[in-house]
Amino acid sequence: GAVVSQHPSRVICKSGTSVKIECRSLDFQATTMFWYRQFPKQSLMLMATSNEGSKATYEQGVEKDKFLINHASLTLSTLTVTSAHPEDSSFYICSARDRRSGLEQPQHFGDGTRLSIL
Amino acid sequence: GESVGLHLPTLSVQEGDNSIINCAYSNSASDYFIWYKQESGKGPQFIIDIRSNMDKRQGQRVTVLLNKTVKHLSLQIAATQPGDSAVYFCAENIQGGKLIFGQGTELSVKP
Repeated sequence: GAVVSQHPSRVICKSGTSVKIECRSLDFQATTMFWYRQFPKQSLMLMATSNEGSKATYEQGVEKDKFLINHASLTLSTLTVTSAHPEDSSFYICSARDRRSGLEQPQHFGDGTRLSIL
Repeated sequence: GESVGLHLPTLSVQEGDNSIINCAYSNSASDYFIWYKQESGKGPQFIIDIRSNMDKRQGQRVTVLLNKTVKHLSLQIAATQPGDSAVYFCAENIQGGKLIFGQGTELSVKP
């Protein structure tokens, strides 16, 4: 089945550090990937849509300059949390849809990145 | 995001019983719905989906019901097993293929 890999799975770093998270589709190509954020005991909240070869589109309230997204190839999207602070600590999850699939096909999710800012 | 950040409701069932997890969605224009299972520390895992032109779909031990009139989805798990313990989310597919997740329900299966 379709596999999405996220790396790293866990990051612990100091306040002010920038952190890059990678999302890869391993056995399919994805023109669109999605980034979510999840706080403990809460639902997934869509942050942005990553589009291969063009700018990401962000959901309302998500700071573009804080969460930089790059989708340079059909199998890789990256999320960089710039100058991270403790309030950015969260579980970040990406998903991807096979470019051959229509919109009425499930997205495939990575296993998330646990980000802890000290 | 559009999902409300409330704490998860919980459902506790005895092993072997059937489970019913409910979900209300918000957008009457949504045309595709998915149920995901999320285990602790992992990403969501696809369980079953349903398109808006259907009101019921069955999989292995799972059934999804869709009531568009009241914008309600349910997931039924037959003969619930300890391995079914997880958080279950419904998700609605909106414009541009974006998914909006529901609140989620934590299912706990007692042996």
